[in-house]
Amino acid sequence: AQSVTQLDSHVSVSEGTPVLLRCNYSSSYSPSLFWYVQHPNKGLQLLLKYTSAATLVKGINGFEAEFKKSETSFHLTKPSAHMSDAAEYFCVVSDYNNNDMRFGAGTRLTVKP
Amino acid sequence: DVKVTQSSRYLVKRTGEKVFLECVQDMDHENMFWYRQDPGLGLRLIYFSYDVKMKEKGDIPEGYSVSREKKERFSLILESASTNQTSMYLCASSLLTSGQTYEQYFGPGTRLTVT
Repeated sequence: AQSVTQLDSHVSVSEGTPVLLRCNYSSSYSPSLFWYVQHPNKGLQLLLKYTSAATLVKGINGFEAEFKKSETSFHLTKPSAHMSDAAEYFCVVSDYNNNDMRFGAGTRLTVKP
Repeated sequence: DVKVTQSSRYLVKRTGEKVFLECVQDMDHENMFWYRQDPGLGLRLIYFSYDVKMKEKGDIPEGYSVSREKKERFSLILESASTNQTSMYLCASSLLTSGQTYEQYFGPGTRLTVT
């Protein structure tokens, strides 16, 4: 069965500095991987997804993630943080051709002025 | 744009009450899901449905049931609410898996408090 581990429960950065949110996954098959963002009192919004095409995936709001099979990682990055990026971020894995998605515990991103 | 709506944003119920949470999606998605979200635990799947009148248990179905009489509507039912069911409940929908897993689209959530 697939699973995902988000390595940091909380990340704090200053505005204008890079963001790195770390995610490792476990999957028996070719995985599909997703990053979602949740702003306070809102539902989850898809940031980006990997489904066995290009290993570097670009998403909305300047975020991107790189699929590294050898490291079983799918870390989320952004070159320059904005105050509006403060939110909770979830890494999600699903085995190929499977309805079952597994969510990480989440990483809360704080952006300091 | 896909839209998933949930009947209530906030709900307060008493222990033992029967609670209905409604979810409607407008994109003709086959799959619909109910999750609960608790701090430090991420999202946990309660039930999902891949077709009308079809349902599959997720990881934590105990104390819950679901109903899907129409393709666009998926209801979560707490037969007898308990305080440990106080949580944020999120509904989602997606296309039916076919050669790939499609992303899920989420509603805004219902924060349920059971007193």
